Amino acid sequence: GAVVSQHPSRVICKSGTSVKIECRSLDFQATTMFWYRQFPKKSLMLMATSNEGSKATYEQGVEKDKFLINHASLTLSTLTVTSAHPEDSSFYICSAHSGKQFFGPGTRLTVL
Amino acid sequence: QKEVEQNSGPLSVPEGAIASLNCTYSDRGSQSFFWYRQYSGKSPELIMSIYSNGDKEDGRFTAQLNKASQYVSLLIRDSQPSDSATYLCGRKDAGNMLTFGGGTRLMVKP
Repeated sequence: GAVVSQHPSRVICKSGTSVKIECRSLDFQATTMFWYRQFPKKSLMLMATSNEGSKATYEQGVEKDKFLINHASLTLSTLTVTSAHPEDSSFYICSAHSGKQFFGPGTRLTVL
Repeated sequence: QKEVEQNSGPLSVPEGAIASLNCTYSDRGSQSFFWYRQYSGKSPELIMSIYSNGDKEDGRFTAQLNKASQYVSLLIRDSQPSDSATYLCGRKDAGNMLTFGGGTRLMVKP
């Protein structure tokens, strides 16, 4: 199956800092990537759809200025959590579409 | 009504038994369905996809789709403790976006 990587896998930061998470499709090109957030014992919540070369489409209730998404190439999408606060602490997972959706391993963000 | 619904469980089955996981959906136009397995603290991994009415088998897993009744199920034969996880049912729309149910937690007891 297709391989999707995420970096970093875990990050701890102070409140007010910005954190960038990278999502890469390693062996295929993905015109569309998706960003999800998952709180403990909860299901995946789609945050936004990232399209290569165009603006991301955000789901209702997700602040686009808070969660900046850049899909710079067919193999890379980045999510930047700006001015992170403790309530942003969560498990962030990206996926890329290649016939089916394949998920990255996730990034666990802890904001102190 | 949620677009994709699953019983949250936990569903507890003894080792070696058949685990039956069910999912219902509200959009009759839905064409593609996926089952993902998610271990605690890990990201989902794809188990099965199904697009046509009927059964699709892959090893110990069988996905069943009934579009008339708007449900999709996953059967796990000879359940093993390593199958203990949360199983997510997903529906794909025309834009390749997946809508997930809340997931069913499966516990297989030795």
